[in-house]
Order: sequence, then C-alpha cells, then structure tokens
Amino acid sequence: SQQGEEDPQALSIQEGENATMNCSYKTSINNLQWYRQNSGRGLVHLILIRSNEREKHSGRLRVTLDTSKKSSSLLITASRAADTASYFCATPREYGQNFVFGPGTRLSVLP
Amino acid sequence: DAGVIQSPRHEVTEMGQEVTLRCKPISGHDYLFWYRQTMMRGLELLIYFNNNVPIDDSGMPEDRFSAKMPNASFSTLKIQPSEPRDSAVYFCASTPGTSGSDTQYFGPGTRLTVL
Repeated sequence: SQQGEEDPQALSIQEGENATMNCSYKTSINNLQWYRQNSGRGLVHLILIRSNEREKHSGRLRVTLDTSKKSSSLLITASRAADTASYFCATPREYGQNFVFGPGTRLSVLP
Repeated sequence: DAGVIQSPRHEVTEMGQEVTLRCKPISGHDYLFWYRQTMMRGLELLIYFNNNVPIDDSGMPEDRFSAKMPNASFSTLKIQPSEPRDSAVYFCASTPGTSGSDTQYFGPGTRLTVL
C-alpha cells in the first residue's frame, strides 16, 4: 500500500539552524502534502506539491519532490523554537479519496 | 470560519460505557474524515464520508465502532462498549473541493481515556 515514511524519526537542532526531513513513498502519486502537529493539537497543512512540480517554497519552508526516487524533502530554514513539532507527509491512496500519513518526524528546536 | 469543531475535547470513561464523539466540519466542505492517533500506531484513518455518505469504513477497528453523518454539518463517532485499548486522540478533518486528496483541515481532537 502507499505510505509516506518520514526520516529521521526525531531531529534536534539549535535555533537558527536548518532542519531537513525526508519522506519516501511506494507507488505513483499525483500530489504529496506536508503537515505540522504541535503537541496536543490537530494537524495543520503546510504545503502541497504536485507530481509535475519539483520544488515549492512557502516562507521559510522549501519542499522538493523527486518522483523518480519516490521521495520528498521538507527544509525549514533559520529554525525557531516555535518550529518544535511533529511533521508528517501525506500521500493519496492509489484508490479512494483519502490519504496515508507517515509516522512523522519529531523536531526539537533548542533555544 | 471557526474551523473544524470537535467535542468534547477530553473524555474519561470506564470500560463498557458508550462514548460519542462529535464533529462539525467547515461549511461547504464535501469530505469528512475520522482519524485515530496513538503512539504505537500513529495516525490511522477510520472512516470517511463524501456528501454525508460513508465511502470507506475499512479502517473501523471492529463492530464496536460506528459513525454517522446525518447532515452536512454534523458527524458522530460512537464506541459501544468502550475498552481501554480505545484510548487515543480522535481527530475529525474535512476537505473542500471535488477531491478527497486535497488539503485537509483538522479539528483539535478529542482525547479519550478509557479506564
């Protein structure tokens, strides 16, 4: 089944550094999404990248998609303590109108 | 818009009791999803609706779980009888447009503890 698998499982960095998270999936997709979840909260959509796009930016976020390698990366530049959260990639199921979420990357940004 | 609204935010109950979780999607959204999140299993899709009709309930763990969407602005997830292993955070999400694979908007979740 399609599934996004994030890597690493956990990441700890200092404020101001860049954070990179990766997502691998198994089958063809038409889009891939990244979500953030702060502790005790619901998931919040960050960015959607379509299969015909290679890179997308939103503020300090940069997402890349390599369909040949079935992988995506999320880069957060100049990280802040407020970026501390879990980050999930989501890929549409091959059949049906829903998603599969990966297990997530827990990012800790230390002040 | 207030976003997706879930109630209650926290629920503590005893094993064997009935639990009902509620969700109000964003107005105009055609898809509604119920998820369960645990440390062990991550975020799991339980069921989703399109225009109030259940489309895929293959994620519902067993017959103790049931979900309804009587109208476009309200959905319930019921567990009867509840068991300790049902303890989790339950999220409702909705999405606009013609595709369920568009951006999902999540509610704040209901943290369920079954003693």
